[in-house]
Amino acid sequence: GIQVEQSPPDLILQEGANSTLRCNFSDSVNNLQWFHQNPWGQLINLFYIPSGTKQNGRLSATTVATERYSLLYISSSQTTDSGVYFCAVEGRGSTLGRLYFGRGTQLTVWP
Amino acid sequence: SAVISQKPSRDICQRGTSLTIQCQVDSQVTMMFWYRQQPGQSLTLIATANQGSEATYESGFVIDKFPISRPNLTFSTLTVSNMSPEDSSIYLCSVWAGDYEQYFGPGTRLTVT
Repeated sequence: GIQVEQSPPDLILQEGANSTLRCNFSDSVNNLQWFHQNPWGQLINLFYIPSGTKQNGRLSATTVATERYSLLYISSSQTTDSGVYFCAVEGRGSTLGRLYFGRGTQLTVWP
Repeated sequence: SAVISQKPSRDICQRGTSLTIQCQVDSQVTMMFWYRQQPGQSLTLIATANQGSEATYESGFVIDKFPISRPNLTFSTLTVSNMSPEDSSIYLCSVWAGDYEQYFGPGTRLTVT
């Protein structure tokens, strides 16, 4: 299956700082999503972004499909941003809807 | 979008027993999936729940251990059979609602003692 690599694995920030999370994938994709898993285990949809750029408040994401990577930007981080951020992709030719997940980036934001 | 509920939200079970997890969606969906997340790990797909036919299992997962039912387009169950401590995980149901995004339920946190 398609390989998904995320970096960095861990990130510790002070409140107010900005950060960039990266997701590299090994093949062409139909779907790429970013999720935030909160401390209670709930996966929250952040972006559906197989290509292009999207913004939602302090978060934005860019996917360069031809170069097989995606970036998630978090600006002015808050303690509530803490948790694990996952990138997941559906490869072209994969079963419809079948997502491959990266190992995630564990983000800790200190007050 | 889709709103997904799972029952139970958490459980503590003894080894050798079985637990059935329910997943309910607020609308009819094409595809439903079951994932496992072991402690500190990423999500791994267990199987695709097919309506009206047997589930499609990923490598390393078998029907005898993880039987799945999907009687209609809004409901599915996953049973974790003959449990051992290694089965302690979060089990998540997800759906693909046809708008390209996939949505996840709140998860079932299982501890096997």
